[in-house]
Amino acid sequence: GEDVEQSLFLSVREGDSSVINCTYTDSSSTYLYWYKQEPGAGLQLLTYIFSNMDMKQDQRLTVLLNKKDKHLSLRIADTQTGDSAIYFCAAGDSSYKLIFGSGTRLLVRP
Amino acid sequence: GAVVSQHPSWVICKSGTSVKIECRSLDFQATTMFWYRQFPKQSLMLMATSNEGSKATYEQGVEKDKFLINHASLTLSTLTVTSAHPEDSSFYICSASGGYSSYNEQFFGPGTRLTVL
Repeated sequence: GEDVEQSLFLSVREGDSSVINCTYTDSSSTYLYWYKQEPGAGLQLLTYIFSNMDMKQDQRLTVLLNKKDKHLSLRIADTQTGDSAIYFCAAGDSSYKLIFGSGTRLLVRP
Repeated sequence: GAVVSQHPSWVICKSGTSVKIECRSLDFQATTMFWYRQFPKQSLMLMATSNEGSKATYEQGVEKDKFLINHASLTLSTLTVTSAHPEDSSFYICSASGGYSSYNEQFFGPGTRLTVL
């Protein structure tokens, strides 16, 4: 089955860019998502990318997809302390089912 | 955007009792609802998928007799943890999909923290 992997931890200084990486195994994944989870809360969809796209930009967020290598990244420009959270990538197919990565804990230092 | 609520937000129960968690889509009709389980500092594990009016589809390794799911209406799904034990303590999150999103978006509830003593 699908396997989604992420690095566990990232620490950046406020104002720097953050890049969170994710790899997946199922080439039939149709949509790839980035979710943000703050402590004790549910998940908030940040952005998504369709599998036939290479890049998507939405304000401070840039998603890059390398379909050949099955690699997805999320870049957060001008990272703020409020961006500190756990970021999950998820891969989905046409059945709505999502497989989540293990999550990357982002710590933004003042 | 679409809003999904869960109730209760946290619950503490004694071992052997049953606990019901509700998941509601507040402003849209959810044709499909999902239940996830999240252990501390770990990812979300899909437990089951339910479509309104039909039986839930459980993921491999999830006991359907222990985790009863009911999706009786387009706005409500319930998860009942029967005869709960300490190892069932976890953060349970539901999500809902209305089928109208062009990118198959699931809208997540805030989660329910279950502690079994």
